[in-house]
Amino acid sequence: QKEVEQNSGPLSVPEGAIASLNCTYSDRGSQSFFWYRQYSGKSPELIMSIYSNGDKEDGRFTAQLNKASQYVSLLIRDSQPSDSATYLCAVRSEGSSYKLIFGSGTRLLVRP
Amino acid sequence: EPEVTQTPSHQVTQMGQEVILRCVPISNHLYFYWYRQILGQKVEFLVSFYNNEISEKSEIFDDQFSVERPDGSNFTLKIRSTKLEDSAMYFCASSPWSGNTIYFGEGSWLTVV
Repeated sequence: QKEVEQNSGPLSVPEGAIASLNCTYSDRGSQSFFWYRQYSGKSPELIMSIYSNGDKEDGRFTAQLNKASQYVSLLIRDSQPSDSATYLCAVRSEGSSYKLIFGSGTRLLVRP
Repeated sequence: EPEVTQTPSHQVTQMGQEVILRCVPISNHLYFYWYRQILGQKVEFLVSFYNNEISEKSEIFDDQFSVERPDGSNFTLKIRSTKLEDSAMYFCASSPWSGNTIYFGEGSWLTVV
């Protein structure tokens, strides 16, 4: 069974700080990784995708991938109260359907 | 910006009743999915659909569930005889091709009483 693991949190950071969210996955053959943000009662919203080892930056967000360690992370710089949400790590299955396998999510609280 | 649209946004149904959840994927997308999320739990894959047939289904997707793409735009999920444990948010999603991002609709809340 392919698994994606995340700490459920909550992770509480003050406004302006860096929030660091982590994710590990079990399928060593995985090639594509995604971070989604989900507000309560809403659908997952894509923040970032990453496919290669290293860092990928987009505005205040940086995704980091280490395939050898089977580890993905998301850094949010200058955290804002509006960033308070659950962050879902998702790994795409390389099977016939290319489905996403989600972690349980990390709840982030940004304190004003 | 194109988006996946779902109807209804919320449905309450009696146990044992049939429910159809509807989705209009993004135009020109080729891969279609249904996921569900029970309150407080993770987003779970139900089924994927490509080239007018199911390409993969999960253990959750038993004989009570079916999917259909009746025309060129709609993609439906039918639950034949709902159970209390079917209460969840159901998300439709689509992707333009196999290697690309999956985009989610706003979801349909299903409450079975």
